[in-house]
Order: sequence, then C-alpha cells, then structure tokens
Amino acid sequence: DQQVKQNSPSLSVQEGRISILNCDYTNSMFDYFLWYKKYPAEGPTFLISISSIKDKNEDGRFTVFLNKSAKHLSLHIVPSQPGDSAVYFCAASDVSTDKLIFGTGTRLQVFP
Amino acid sequence: SQTIHQWPATLVQPVGSPLSLECTVEGTSNPNLYWYRQAAGRGLQLLFYSVGIGQISSEVPQNLSASRPQDRQFILSSKKLLLSDSGFYLCAWKAVDYGYTFGSGTRLTVV
Repeated sequence: DQQVKQNSPSLSVQEGRISILNCDYTNSMFDYFLWYKKYPAEGPTFLISISSIKDKNEDGRFTVFLNKSAKHLSLHIVPSQPGDSAVYFCAASDVSTDKLIFGTGTRLQVFP
Repeated sequence: SQTIHQWPATLVQPVGSPLSLECTVEGTSNPNLYWYRQAAGRGLQLLFYSVGIGQISSEVPQNLSASRPQDRQFILSSKKLLLSDSGFYLCAWKAVDYGYTFGSGTRLTVV
C-alpha cells in the first residue's frame, strides 16, 4: 500500500517558468512533510519541509503548500532553472513511528 | 560535523552470492539509522530501520537482513542474492530536527 504518491512520473518545464510538483498521502497520522532532490547515482538531498500545523513554507525559489483536508502537498519552484533538473521525492513522517515514507518520485526536466 | 559514509559505491554480484553493505555515521551518537532501496522505476522504499544497537525493524519481508553491531554502524546483508535485489541502496540517519541525511548510495547489480 503506497501511503505517499506522486502521480506524475515526469514533468518538463521551460527555464524561467514555474514548476509544480504534486504529492498525495493517505495516512492522516503524518505530521511532517519533506521534499528531497536526487541526482542519478547520488543520495537524496533535503530541499524544504513543512509541519502539519502550517499550510505554506517558503525558502528562496522553493515553496511547499500543504492542504491537510485534501491530504495533498505541492512543491513550487519559481523561476525554474536547468540545474533544477533532477528527480524530486516527497516524503512524510509520523512522529510516533519515526519513519520517513517516500513517494515514487517525479523527474523534472527544465529546458532552456 | 556529522557525516555519513557508505560503501562500496558500485557492486556487481552473481546470483546466489552473499552481500554486505556497510554504513557508518560520524559526529553523532545514538542516531536512528535507515536502509532504503530505489529499484528501477520505483521510489525510495524503506527496508530496515534501527533506533539503537541490536534493534532492527524490518519493513518489507525479503531476501535481505540488517544488523547494527555498533552505535554508528549499520550493515545490510544477504546470504544469497536474487536478481530482484538489484537497485540503488541508500543509508540514512535522522537528526533531531526531522532532517534525514543520506549517504551517497550503492548501486548493486545482480547478474
């Protein structure tokens, strides 16, 4: 049972435009959400996170939105840059279990 | 500063051979440690996690096992590899502020 889902396996965006990556979850016990960026043959690197008590968190070009009622979060990248091309994973955590559950990832390609 | 070491970076093993991947963490004590696998076309799947020496929780029944012989050492093993064990294996540790730090990963190809 996939508790964290990223339904778009890939996304292609022109440089300078907005990239929107989506993530849905099913477990209402999740209370912390994170986005990771991963290049091939490397470990994921942390991008941005959001607690369930907030609905938005912003860090530079990256903004994460959380809609708890819809069990949905999204990552906005504005403006998109070619260096943003990578696989993006959303992840969710339940403090009672101490585990981080990842989605299946979305491959973002930013073209000039 | 805290660092995480994972090796080897790549590994090609025949079916039926044993496996041992090692992960060590520096600069922290009593970390939560995790093994993840990224298989082709799939996301990051949690395999094992450990909250202390000798404490291992298995998430997915499979051909693999994990051990934590020391506080900052986490080992992923198999007695006999299967083709389906191929993938990219990642070790991670969790900091107190929810941040997970990942190792550089091991690409395992079972042939």
